[in-house]
Amino acid sequence: DVKVTQSSRYLVKRTGEKVFLECVQDMDHENMFWYRQDPGLGLRLIYFSYDVKMKEKGDIPEGYSVSREKKERFSLILESASTNQTSMYLCASSSGTGRYEQYFGPGTRLTVT
Amino acid sequence: LAKTTQPISMDSYEGQEVNITCSHNNIATNDYITWYQQFPSQGPRFIIQGYKTKVTNEVASLFIPADRKSSTLSLPRVSLSDTAVYYCLVGDRPPAENMRFGAGTRLTVKP
Repeated sequence: DVKVTQSSRYLVKRTGEKVFLECVQDMDHENMFWYRQDPGLGLRLIYFSYDVKMKEKGDIPEGYSVSREKKERFSLILESASTNQTSMYLCASSSGTGRYEQYFGPGTRLTVT
Repeated sequence: LAKTTQPISMDSYEGQEVNITCSHNNIATNDYITWYQQFPSQGPRFIIQGYKTKVTNEVASLFIPADRKSSTLSLPRVSLSDTAVYYCLVGDRPPAENMRFGAGTRLTVKP
């Protein structure tokens, strides 16, 4: 089974802190994604990567950056956390061929106070 | 702007068949249609994917008309454990406009 793991299930940070959310997948997938999920808004794509060191902006990249130094790991960085970044963050991965089914991690619920 | 439109919520009773329809008027020729299920406090989980006509697996069926401008996820004989949010996704590969999930449909199954 494909496994996507995220570094924390729950995280509390203060405004202005730099926050790192880590995601690791074990299926040698080319594509990796970061979403945030808020009530009533569904899943919104922040960034995605289709190869090592490659990244593309999603719908809401402002206030975020990403890093993909190794194929299995995709990091989401909040340079200076703000209260409006309090949300559920979901990481996903998919193969670069075939039907592109996305496999999701369990999510990180981030609270910025 | 989301490429898909789904009902916000639906209610059903145990044992009934549930059909959730998704509209995707601007679907591209190469786009597949994929449905995901999400339980509270979990990430979404793949249910089924199709391109045209009908696809069936052990969990659900997916009906896609010839014009492909909509699709219907059919859940046979639902149980309480099928209570979840269901997302329709059209085209799940880069560029980013192809990977918008939308708000999903909250299905509540009652006893």
